Amino acid sequence: DIQMTQSPSSLSASVGDRVTITCQASQDIGISLNWYQQKPGKAPKLLIYDTSNLDTGVPSKFSGSGSGTHFTFTITRLQPEDVATYYCQQYDTFSGTFGPGTRVDIK
Amino acid sequence: EVQLVQSGAEVKKPGESLKISCKGSGYSFTTYWIGWVRQKPGKGLEWMGIIYPGDSDTRRYDPSFQGQVTISADKSISTAYLQWSSLEASDTAMYYCARRSTMMGAFDIWGQGTMVIVSS
Repeated sequence: DIQMTQSPSSLSASVGDRVTITCQASQDIGISLNWYQQKPGKAPKLLIYDTSNLDTGVPSKFSGSGSGTHFTFTITRLQPEDVATYYCQQYDTFSGTFGPGTRVDIK
Repeated sequence: EVQLVQSGAEVKKPGESLKISCKGSGYSFTTYWIGWVRQKPGKGLEWMGIIYPGDSDTRRYDPSFQGQVTISADKSISTAYLQWSSLEASDTAMYYCARRSTMMGAFDIWGQGTMVIVSS
């Protein structure tokens, strides 16, 4: 089974800061990597699919990159509405392991 | 509007059975996968399994959930199900269904979640 790790597990940043989260896969997954945002008490929301593609309606302040085993997710100009937990997820046809999540707060 | 609407919260006793539902609307239910995701209180997301309602024999489970739950679908009413034959306290969690297209592996539409509490 493919294992996913994320770092940091949590972070606190100021409004307007650039925030970067990393996600690592235990084996090569190509670009089969998605990113989700989950706000407290809400269902997750897809932000980025296949490493770098923004889902419909997702603002361009969110971006993703990487391939193979190492991936990054970036929020430019952090805003209060971005407070959430962010999850990476690898997938293949019949599986889809999530990373443990990164909690993002405002300092 | 494309949406998945899940059944309401459940409170059950250990050993009881349960079947929760996820009804799709606003899209062709049989041409997208439906997956189930568990989230225990205060914890992260866990991928449980996935089914293709267009061919309900096509389903897969994460090894951690194989034999613990059953995923099914009734395409005639655009509804997917997650069921337990004998609940345990450790099954207490929020359960989400989510849609996945055949073209990409991401869950692009999520249900609102069904909270399951198992307590004696």
